[in-house]
Amino acid sequence: DTAVSQTPKYLVTQMGNDKSIKCEQNLGHDTMYWYKQDSKKFLKIMFSYNNKELIINETVPNRFSPKSPDKAHLNLHINSLELGDSAVYFCASSRYNEQFFGPGTRLTVL
Amino acid sequence: QQPVQSPQAVILREGEDAVINCSSSKALYSVHWYRQKHGEAPVFLMILLKGGEQKGHEKISASFNVKKQQSSLYLTASQLSYSGTYFCGTAYMDTGRRALTFGSGTRLQVQP
Repeated sequence: DTAVSQTPKYLVTQMGNDKSIKCEQNLGHDTMYWYKQDSKKFLKIMFSYNNKELIINETVPNRFSPKSPDKAHLNLHINSLELGDSAVYFCASSRYNEQFFGPGTRLTVL
Repeated sequence: QQPVQSPQAVILREGEDAVINCSSSKALYSVHWYRQKHGEAPVFLMILLKGGEQKGHEKISASFNVKKQQSSLYLTASQLSYSGTYFCGTAYMDTGRRALTFGSGTRLQVQP
């Protein structure tokens, strides 16, 4: 009965690789988000989708590409990974105001 | 523009009170408060939508001063379970209700 789930939980990869993180919510929410939390715990919005439509696209390198196949899923694909991409990535969803966060994916780029 | 949280860190003994402040330089639509424990996801505590609104969650409450563009989180008679990092997330009048900008967090440690 997990509300917002992410896979994988941990991701260790080499610089230059391409990787994807998947997110699914079973709450019936219409809006989903991707956040990046760096080593200093700063939580920053990256993208937001509402009903599969991109509504927020913060200043994020275009190596990051979100994809929303349906309202319940928002995946994040990252090309040509760099050391600075190492962080915890959180997916979240909301219907009105309260945002529910997934457990996070810890990405380590070596 | 990121809201400013203060203090950055606070250490309490069980039973003591604390106040965490969140200030914005832009007009606010709403303020959200979240708590994140180490290695876990942020968890929603409460949202404040109207000026002067105060919300409560167990012994944790918050206020919202629209004119001053500030919100404060009040932790009363703190418990060990209150330990964690508290974030305020702000939504601005000019960008709509969905977009949240989070402060840098306040690390709270409650000791026995």
